[in-house]
Amino acid sequence: GAVVSQHPSWVICKSGTSVKIECRSLDFQATTMFWYRQFPKQSLMLMATSNEGSKATYEQGVEKDKFLINHASLTLSTLTVTSAHPEDSSFYICSARDPPIRPLHFGNGTRLTVT
Amino acid sequence: GQQLNQSPQSMFIQEGEDVSMNCTSSSIFNTWLWYKQDPGEGPVLLIALYKAGELTSNGRLTAQFGITRKDSFLNISASIPSDVGIYFCATKGAQKLVFGQGTRLTINP
Repeated sequence: GAVVSQHPSWVICKSGTSVKIECRSLDFQATTMFWYRQFPKQSLMLMATSNEGSKATYEQGVEKDKFLINHASLTLSTLTVTSAHPEDSSFYICSARDPPIRPLHFGNGTRLTVT
Repeated sequence: GQQLNQSPQSMFIQEGEDVSMNCTSSSIFNTWLWYKQDPGEGPVLLIALYKAGELTSNGRLTAQFGITRKDSFLNISASIPSDVGIYFCATKGAQKLVFGQGTRLTINP
């Protein structure tokens, strides 16, 4: 079945540095991918919609200059957390849809810890 | 924005018991999805519902799309230890998914 791969699965970085997270659709092409953030014991909150070949659409309250999204190909979207702060520490999850299968498939998430 | 009210927030049950959780909304939706999330992993789709009144099973799991299109429930029969995790309902608003707050299931052996 459709699989979404996310890398890395966990990362620790220092404050002020940037971290890049990759999301790949392994056996299908995804013109749209979604990036979520999940804090401990909370639900998934959509950060942005990544559109292949065009700009991402960010949810209200999400800083586009801080969370850079690039969807350069039909199988890869990247999220770069720039100038990371400890409060950016969270679980980041990507997802993609495999048309015509409608439900979203999720990656395994990336645990980001900013020290 | 759209909100889903999922309950209960947590459940503590004995192995072998049946489980029931539900999700309600003030808005009408055309799709209801149920996901399970294990610790440190992404959500995995359990059941997808596309039609009001639809009742769908996946092994010991059964989910129904409410006839009013504003609610859905998920039942787990004869729970086993691997059922432990967080269960999320989700619906499709515009192009994106909206998630419920989750139901954390804990099972005592």
